[in-house]
Amino acid sequence: AIQLTQSPSSLSASVGDRVTITCRASQGISSALAWYQQKPGKAPKLLIYDASSLESGVPSRFSGSGSGTDFTLTISSLQPEDFATYYCQQFNNYPRTFGGGTKVEIK
Amino acid sequence: EVQLVESGGGLVKPGGSLRLSCAASGFTFSTYSMNWVRQAPGKGLEWVSSISSGSNYIYYADSVKGRFTISRDNAKNSLYVQMNSLRAEDTAVYYCARDEVYYYGSKAWGQGTLVTVSS
Repeated sequence: AIQLTQSPSSLSASVGDRVTITCRASQGISSALAWYQQKPGKAPKLLIYDASSLESGVPSRFSGSGSGTDFTLTISSLQPEDFATYYCQQFNNYPRTFGGGTKVEIK
Repeated sequence: EVQLVESGGGLVKPGGSLRLSCAASGFTFSTYSMNWVRQAPGKGLEWVSSISSGSNYIYYADSVKGRFTISRDNAKNSLYVQMNSLRAEDTAVYYCARDEVYYYGSKAWGQGTLVTVSS
């Protein structure tokens, strides 16, 4: 099974900060990766699909990059509503796997 | 409006069974592969199972293989998971989620249903 390692597992940041979250796959997955945002008590929300494509309606401060084994989610200027937990998920093969999550907290 | 609504969660004793349902609306259900994803209290997301649009391809996580059975009824726009031999570690919120046809990601998710396995 492909393992996805997210780092960091948590971070503290201030409004306006640039935030970068990484997701490393244990083997190459091309661009078959999505990023989600989850807030407490809510279902995950798709932010990025195909590793770098912005889902409709998602603010442009979110961006994704990478292919193969190394992927990045960047928030260019953190907003109050962005404090949440972020997950990557691979779609290259089964079993589908998620990264362990990155909790973004207020500094 | 695309909607996925899970039901069937509740409290069950270890070794017991439960059947979850996911009612889909607002899209052509029979076109999409579907998934169950769970989240244990305070933990991350865990993919559980997937079923293709015509039920030809079915996949399970090792943690549930042999105990859970995914199925769908395209005429009723519904997804199911039959969960047998439940364990405490199956306690989680269970979400159904739709695979997208043209890209890698799941845009549509249900609100989740809580399954608690406890004596």
